[in-house]
Amino acid sequence: SYVLTQPPSVSVAPGKTARITCGGYNIGSRSVHWYQQKPGQAPVLVISYDSDRPSGIPERFSGSNSGNTATLTISRVGAGDEADYYCQVWDNSSDHRVFGGGTKLTVL
Amino acid sequence: QVQLVESGGGVVQPGRSLRLSCAASGFTFTSYGIHWVRQAPGKGLEWVAVIWYDGSNKYSADSVKGRFTISRDNSKNTLYLQMNSLRAEDTAVYYCARGDKNGDAFDIWGQGTMVTVSS
Repeated sequence: SYVLTQPPSVSVAPGKTARITCGGYNIGSRSVHWYQQKPGQAPVLVISYDSDRPSGIPERFSGSNSGNTATLTISRVGAGDEADYYCQVWDNSSDHRVFGGGTKLTVL
Repeated sequence: QVQLVESGGGVVQPGRSLRLSCAASGFTFTSYGIHWVRQAPGKGLEWVAVIWYDGSNKYSADSVKGRFTISRDNSKNTLYLQMNSLRAEDTAVYYCARGDKNGDAFDIWGQGTMVTVSS
């Protein structure tokens, strides 16, 4: 089965840029989606299809995907961005969905 | 507004069964595939199962295959998850989530319902 690898944690100073990676074999050939989950809340889709922002998601959130790595970039990070972030792809050979292990973003 | 509301969680003994429900509103339920996703305490998200918009196809994770069954009643705008032979490792918050128009991303999530498997 397809495996997605994320760093367990990323730390960033307020106002700086956070980059969260998601590794997978030839992930650039797949569509990658990113979810934000704050404590006690359901996940929220923040980036779909590698780089599309759903309605209501700030422009500070962006995404890219190439080769074996997809990246979620959050610019001008604030305390409100502290959350767990998960990448996800569709393994269409099995019609299964796959999540990365999640990355905890800490704003210093 | 577009909404998914789960119910049916609780505490159940190992080996017993439980059925979760997910009531949809605010969108055309019959146009979307719907998924179950779970999250064990302090752990990450785990995809559980999907059912196509018309119920014609269902797929589930290996960890629940043969024990959990996903179904839907389009006349009631409701999704179900029948969970049999429950194990301690099934303890988790269970979310229902709508697949987007391409069936790829999860664009709407419910608030989740907690299932605890314990003697």
